[in-house]
Amino acid sequence: EAGVAQSPRYKIIEKRQSVAFWCNPISGHATLYWYQQILGQGPKLLIQFQNNGVVDDSQLPKDRFSAERLKGVDSTLKIQPAKLEDSAVYLCASSSSLRRPQETQYFGPGTRLLVL
Amino acid sequence: GQQLNQSPQSMFIQEGEDVSMNCTSSSIFNTWLWYKQDPGEGPVLLIALYKAGELTSNGRLTAQFGITRKDSFLNISASIPSDVGIYFCAGSNAGGTSYGKLTFGQGTILTVHP
Repeated sequence: EAGVAQSPRYKIIEKRQSVAFWCNPISGHATLYWYQQILGQGPKLLIQFQNNGVVDDSQLPKDRFSAERLKGVDSTLKIQPAKLEDSAVYLCASSSSLRRPQETQYFGPGTRLLVL
Repeated sequence: GQQLNQSPQSMFIQEGEDVSMNCTSSSIFNTWLWYKQDPGEGPVLLIALYKAGELTSNGRLTAQFGITRKDSFLNISASIPSDVGIYFCAGSNAGGTSYGKLTFGQGTILTVHP
């Protein structure tokens, strides 16, 4: 079974530029998560999708971050414009179990973003 | 918001030694999980705990769900070099739209000397 795929793996941009990340979850997984992991910290949930609907985006900085999951499969996370403090690893995860999604939450390798 | 405090922040041990780390919360969780993250990879689930007082093992790993629901412990016995990595605790509460939302600790960095 293929894992969660993310691209690009690395991205370097200047502040005020825009950037987009892509995630392809495990086939058949209805729930998709985007996390932000700042160096030296644990992942922080940004947004959670159930199929193509948003379940939780309470920690998403909506003035600059946006995410979509068209057709309930792939997802993109965008930052526009980027700030220095956005430098982090952006992790995508997916799960299949609505009953215990945390048990079946599989993480991708992440996209490492550096904002200069 | 909820915060998890992990300790110690880092550990340097010799191969073969046992390791203990813990996680405390300012509020209650009904699920505790432990993850390991290798460099350049995403976290991988090690153990999930669903009941207060529960003790669960996965090979050389043993984790416990604290009675107060505000803490959890992870023990690794007879450490080996491949145990190197960052260990994260995470808490979760069921119900409503928060189902599956994880709150992570800041991690414990484990280094094992051969």
